[in-house]
Amino acid sequence: EAQVTQNPRYLITVTGKKLTVTCSQNMNHEYMSWYRQDPGLGLRQIYYSMNVEVTDKGDVPEGYKVSRKEKRNFPLILESPSPNQTSLYFCASSSGQGPYSYEQYFGPGTRLTVT
Amino acid sequence: AQSVTQPDIHITVSEGASLELRCNYSYGATPYLFWYVQSPGQGLQLLLKYFSGDTLVQGIKGFEAEFKRSQSSFNLRKPSVHWSDAAEYFCAVGVRTGGYQKVTFGTGTKLQVIP
Repeated sequence: EAQVTQNPRYLITVTGKKLTVTCSQNMNHEYMSWYRQDPGLGLRQIYYSMNVEVTDKGDVPEGYKVSRKEKRNFPLILESPSPNQTSLYFCASSSGQGPYSYEQYFGPGTRLTVT
Repeated sequence: AQSVTQPDIHITVSEGASLELRCNYSYGATPYLFWYVQSPGQGLQLLLKYFSGDTLVQGIKGFEAEFKRSQSSFNLRKPSVHWSDAAEYFCAVGVRTGGYQKVTFGTGTKLQVIP
């Protein structure tokens, strides 16, 4: 089954404790992105990757890091989480084929709470 | 930069009634257009998309959307709403910017269905 998986689904942590949210897709997609969803703000892009070893900042990258060492994986790293990073996070992927590169396939989400 | 506006934050309809969710975008050219649905506690699922051609597009779950270039709109419609349609709906716009395929999401419309 074609899918995007994220782990963990729920995470409660404390300020300053480094964490990683994993994302993996099995569709051989070139593009991958991380979004955060906050009430009234919709989805905002954090980082994106066009292929292995190619990443760039989205609209709200401060406080986050990413890496793309393999095509299927795109982990999101919070080196020193703060309470304002409490949010619902989504990983998404899309193929590199013309207009289909805009068609996002989403993971189930990770609910992060930073206290 | 492109923007997407969903003017209705929350809509309530009776089961069996018709539904129209509004979406307007701001961009110089015709972008690629999408509607996604997010059921409570779930990720986002693609309902339908517009790339080119016929301006009335059909999607899953009985939804359709009409692209109107003159109004820069891509409104989502359903003739008869079912209780299971209660969810949050996101309009999204895809454009190529800075060498990258960027997708911008609206802030969402939450649909409540009453008996």
